[in-house]
Amino acid sequence: DGGITQSPKYLFRKEGQNVTLSCEQNLNHDAMYWYRQDPGQGLRLIYYSQIVNDFQKGDIAEGYSVSREKKESFPLTVTSAQKNPTAFYLCASSISPRGTEAFFGQGTRLTVV
Amino acid sequence: AQSVSQHNHHVILSEAASLELGCNYSYGGTVNLFWYVQYPGQHLQLLLKYFSGDPLVKGIKGFEAEFIKSKFSFNLRKPSVQWSDTAEYFCAAKGGATNKLIFGTGTLLAVQP
Repeated sequence: DGGITQSPKYLFRKEGQNVTLSCEQNLNHDAMYWYRQDPGQGLRLIYYSQIVNDFQKGDIAEGYSVSREKKESFPLTVTSAQKNPTAFYLCASSISPRGTEAFFGQGTRLTVV
Repeated sequence: AQSVSQHNHHVILSEAASLELGCNYSYGGTVNLFWYVQYPGQHLQLLLKYFSGDPLVKGIKGFEAEFIKSKFSFNLRKPSVQWSDTAEYFCAAKGGATNKLIFGTGTLLAVQP
């Protein structure tokens, strides 16, 4: 089945630890995105990548880092510098940066205790 | 700065009532517009999209939206809602100088049977 896979679905971490969220797609899409969803704030863009080995900061990039070494993978690291990391994280991809709509994964709920 | 605004945060309707959800965007240049829906416990799905051509676009499940360039608006409409339309609705825009995909804060729709 083609699609976007985010893992794990639920993730718990202790405060001060870095954690990496996985996002893999087998749709052969060029562009990939990471969003954070909080109640009442919609989806806020963290980072996006238009092609392999390239990525740009979104609106709330502080405390996060990404890499895009392979077309199908766009992992997100939540670092200890992120002040409020507990949230629902969504990954998306689209055919090309100027192309069609984005398709979403099922999300990862991160809880930092 | 690029932005998407949704004015209705919570909407409560009875079945068979008509729906209109407001969306305004701030983008320079060519813009692509989307409405996504998130049903309880499910991932984001595309309802409809506008790229060019006829400003009245029809989507799935009887939804439609009208692109009014002079008002920078892309309002979502449905003539008669059903209980199964209970969900969160997000307006999104892509385009301008950076091609970032930006979302509004979402509208929670509750349809009472």
